[in-house]
Amino acid sequence: LAKTTQPISMDSYEGQEVNITCSHNNIATNDYITWYQQFPSQGPRFIIQGYKTKVTNEVASLFIPADRKSSTLSLPRVSLSDTAVYYCLVARVNTDKLIFGTGTRLQVFP
Amino acid sequence: DTAVSQTPKYLVTQMGNDKSIKCEQNLGHDTMYWYKQDSKKFLKIMFSYNNKELIINETVPNRFSPKSPDKAHLNLHINSLELGDSAVYFCASSRFRAREQETQYFGPGTRLLVL
Repeated sequence: LAKTTQPISMDSYEGQEVNITCSHNNIATNDYITWYQQFPSQGPRFIIQGYKTKVTNEVASLFIPADRKSSTLSLPRVSLSDTAVYYCLVARVNTDKLIFGTGTRLQVFP
Repeated sequence: DTAVSQTPKYLVTQMGNDKSIKCEQNLGHDTMYWYKQDSKKFLKIMFSYNNKELIINETVPNRFSPKSPDKAHLNLHINSLELGDSAVYFCASSRFRAREQETQYFGPGTRLLVL
């Protein structure tokens, strides 16, 4: 399964858009991508999932280029409550193989 | 009405001891998982069960033994605890197996400290 790497940390200010990228160079045709958010002392929780191009929901957008070797989670207008660790997950359809990315700690400042 | 619950929340023990962590989900899901999160926050899959059948068994020391008495419960027993076992252990569940692009729901974690 594709090794997934992410920047260790990012800083932002309230109201800004934040883009967090996950690199998965060896992604396979039948791998899908999911992003999770983890607050301190809690388990991760689902944000968004996609396979290619762009997916948007009420909290985030997910951009996946044509080669699918990376994916970018976009958080519009972050607030202090978005301070958390963000993980990408690559999992393979029709197998039970999955791997989490290394995680990106996002710190939002007032 | 916690969806995925784990007990205990904290576990402090001595090297060489045997301990168990329990997980229960009330979501009616078929699949459950155990993850280990180390001090660097890396999340690593350990095991997964689907309807009481072991389907993921990653490279984990055989001191770790999962058990699923029914599809709502997944326990993790650890024998002869070592310092390196200190971590946060997360249980998760999903409707169906990961192969079907399912969202996972995580428990609050069990913080294990081996002294």
